[in-house]
Amino acid sequence: GQNIDQPTEMTATEGAIVQINCTYQTSGFNGLFWYQQHAGEAPTFLSYNVLDGLEEKGRFSSFLSRSKGYSYLLLKELQMKDSASYLCAVRVKDSNYQLIWGAGTKLIIKP
Amino acid sequence: DAGVTQSPTHLIKTRGQQVTLRCSPKSGHDTVSWYQQALGQGPQFIFQYYEEEERQRGNFPDRFSGHQFPNYSSELNVNALLLGDSALYLCASSLVLGGETQYFGPGTRLLVL
Repeated sequence: GQNIDQPTEMTATEGAIVQINCTYQTSGFNGLFWYQQHAGEAPTFLSYNVLDGLEEKGRFSSFLSRSKGYSYLLLKELQMKDSASYLCAVRVKDSNYQLIWGAGTKLIIKP
Repeated sequence: DAGVTQSPTHLIKTRGQQVTLRCSPKSGHDTVSWYQQALGQGPQFIFQYYEEEERQRGNFPDRFSGHQFPNYSSELNVNALLLGDSALYLCASSLVLGGETQYFGPGTRLLVL
C-alpha cells in the first residue's frame, strides 16, 4: 500500500533551524511536494523534488533521497509566522499522478 | 492572475441533506481535484476532473459526485450527509492531467449537525 509518515508535532525557537522529516512507501514515485498550511487555511505550495538532492529556496530547503524513501524540509531563521502545519505529499504515476498526503507536522515556534 | 476560488466559505447542514460546493480553477488551469480534510489530518483525495470527465477517484462512496463545466470550473455534490462528512473541502487546480503542481483554493468548511 501507499504510506507517508511525518512527525505529528515539533517545537522550535524563533531564529533557530528546524528539520521536518518525511518517509514514504509508494509505488510509481513521480515527485515529492511540501506544502505549508496555516490553521483554517488552504495548503500553499513550498517545494517540489523529483531528483535526489537539495533544493534551496530562500529560508526553506527540501531534500530528497529516492533510494531511502526519505525527504526533509529545512527551515532556517525561524519566524513566528512559520508556525503552521507542514504537509508532505508524493505524486504517484501509477494512480494517474494522484497525490498521496501525509497527515502533516504541526510546527510550533516559541519566542 | 486569479487564483483558485471556492464557494461558499462556510456551510452548515443537517444529516440527510444534500450540499453543492463550487470551485473555479486558477487562470490557465484545466484540471480540478477535490480533497476532504478532517481536523488534524492531511487531505484525502476524492476525485479529479479533466476535460469534463472524472479521471481518477479516491476511496469515497457514491454519495460524493462531481461535475466539470466547459470553462473548467467544477462542483462537488454530497448526498445524504452524515455527521462524518464535516470537514474542510479543498479544491486544487493544475495544468494538464499529471505533471504539474497543484494550487489550492481557500476551502469550504462544512459542518453537518
